[in-house]
Amino acid sequence: DAGVIQSPRHEVTEMGQEVTLRCKPISGHDYLFWYRQTMMRGLELLIYFNNNVPIDDSGMPEDRFSAKMPNASFSTLKIQPSEPRDSAVYFCASSLGGQPNEKLFFGSGTQLSVL
Amino acid sequence: QKEVEQDPGPLSVPEGAIVSLNCTYSNSAFQYFMWYRQYSRKGPELLMYTYSSGNKEDGRFTAQVDKSSKYISLFIRDSQPSDSATYLCAIQRGQNFVFGPGTRLSVLP
Repeated sequence: DAGVIQSPRHEVTEMGQEVTLRCKPISGHDYLFWYRQTMMRGLELLIYFNNNVPIDDSGMPEDRFSAKMPNASFSTLKIQPSEPRDSAVYFCASSLGGQPNEKLFFGSGTQLSVL
Repeated sequence: QKEVEQDPGPLSVPEGAIVSLNCTYSNSAFQYFMWYRQYSRKGPELLMYTYSSGNKEDGRFTAQVDKSSKYISLFIRDSQPSDSATYLCAIQRGQNFVFGPGTRLSVLP
């Protein structure tokens, strides 16, 4: 398996524009997570899905952020409108689930810069 | 109080040194503890996990958990330049994971 695949690797956009980040999880994994990483706040969970259903979106900063998982092999994180404070590295991760569920598999991330 | 606290470093050591990385957590209900390693411009990857108090060894790495003190540690023996990375401790809460801010380690040749 190629691992968790994220696109694009880098995104530079202007304030107010819509940004869509994409993720393909590892085949067979039941859980998909979206994290955001910044120097100030570290790695923060935004939302996670189980079997394509959003389970916990309490980490989504505000209504400008939305995430979907239309099927088991694809998820998107959308920011509309984007703001400079959204600049960060966004990671997607997937896992098999269970207890303990110790292993998250991360993608390489999308470096987002909002000017 | 944050759920997981970690000294962000940075930490620089000479090659061959023993490295000690530490985290504290706030909720005694947490049962599963992990260490992830993150190289520059990469996603974190699992290094070690444990779910009981005591030590767990894997080659040059030892993970230690003290549940009475809510303290977790990672020791690296005979550190190598290839160990230079950011190390993040993590706890599992349900199916969710809470990460510490990470400690940036540099091992100098």
